Amino acid sequence: KAGVTQTPRYLIKTRGQQVTLSCSPISGHRSVSWYQQTPGQGLQFLFEYFSETQRNKGNFPGRFSGRQFSNSRSEMNVSTLELGDSALYLCASSLDRDRDAFFGQGTRLTVV
Amino acid sequence: SQQGEEDPQALSIQEGENATMNCSYKTSINNLQWYRQNSGRGLVHLILIRSNEREKHSGRLRVTLDTSKKSSSLLITASRAADTASYFCATLTGSNYKLTFGKGTLLTVNP
Repeated sequence: KAGVTQTPRYLIKTRGQQVTLSCSPISGHRSVSWYQQTPGQGLQFLFEYFSETQRNKGNFPGRFSGRQFSNSRSEMNVSTLELGDSALYLCASSLDRDRDAFFGQGTRLTVV
Repeated sequence: SQQGEEDPQALSIQEGENATMNCSYKTSINNLQWYRQNSGRGLVHLILIRSNEREKHSGRLRVTLDTSKKSSSLLITASRAADTASYFCATLTGSNYKLTFGKGTLLTVNP
């Protein structure tokens, strides 16, 4: 059974640009969550989608957005990139909220 | 705010020894999950324990949960160099659809 797939694995962007990250969940999983990991703040929740609906959102500015498609694949977008957005972005999938959440390998975003 | 807090922050042991990591949290939980992360890579799911469970095992891993003390522990028995990683606990609370993570414990297993 394939795991959670995140693309791309690495990304370098310039300040002010925008970026889109992709996440393909485990087959059959309808819940997809996104997290940002930085050395200073640790792992922080961005948002969660279930059946194309955003059910919860973390304390991030509106520059961070996401969506989920009918096949449960999800994308997150960051507009007007700032240096502080440099981080490892992790996607997790699960059957639903009270079930095991499995993470992908992450996308390492560097903003220069 | 941080829900889960792991203790210790760092742990160094010899191969073959047991490693115990603790996690404390502040509010009632639905479940608690333990993860392993090798340097800069994704999180590997280890065990989920629900609020009505007290202990779970998986191979060399043993997780306990004490809801009265709002704490959990992860025991790795007969550790190996390959167990060297950061270990995180994450809690799911109330009607939130998010996991709240602690800062992690960095485990180093010396050959």
